Amino acid sequence: DTGVSQDPRHKITKRGQNVTFRCDPISEHNRLYWYRQTLGQGPEFLTYFQNEAQLEKSRLLSDRFSAERPKGSFSTLEIQRTEQGDSAMYLCASSPRSERNTDTQYFGPGTRLTVL
Amino acid sequence: AQSVTQLDSQVPVFEEAPVELRCNYSSSVSVYLFWYVQYPNQGLQLLLKYLSGSTLVKGINGFEAEFNKSQTSFHLRKPSVHISDTAEYFCAVTRYSSASKIIFGSGTRLSIRP
Repeated sequence: DTGVSQDPRHKITKRGQNVTFRCDPISEHNRLYWYRQTLGQGPEFLTYFQNEAQLEKSRLLSDRFSAERPKGSFSTLEIQRTEQGDSAMYLCASSPRSERNTDTQYFGPGTRLTVL
Repeated sequence: AQSVTQLDSQVPVFEEAPVELRCNYSSSVSVYLFWYVQYPNQGLQLLLKYLSGSTLVKGINGFEAEFNKSQTSFHLRKPSVHISDTAEYFCAVTRYSSASKIIFGSGTRLSIRP
């Protein structure tokens, strides 16, 4: 069990550029989540997948944000036309599925985005 | 909608002293409750969770929390802290019916003084 991995760990970009982050969940975890954490705040839910299906999206996820999980394994989060307000830590988590929906979410180390 | 309030943004304590980190939640439906810890430059790690049953929940590293439904609280405690407990602690909730979405509090930074 190698844990949830995220790549890159840090990304600096200029306003208006597009960026893409990758998340590799724990093997055989069929649920994958994206959160955003700004300085001094707790993580905020963005979206989650069960296998390749995107089942819920937060209103925080504007049209400039898109997430995919094409084969039900790794996931990508793309931000188009980045803005300074997008600067944050982007966290990925995964969990196995259970009937009671109570399985622990295991978090990756995050990707820190800085938009200049 | 659910919300979580962590009443203290920072808590300084001396090593080997007891500590309590306060958490209150608001929800019109039943929820599951969690405490996560974030050590410097590391990802979030689950400390403990309350799903049902005994209201006193024991977690890793000697931490425990007590669910109080009437006061809608889920305070985290440790009888004697160590320097290695220095971290940010997040209280969180999910609804029974949509446990995929975790709602986090704003965090409490615990700093331990020697």
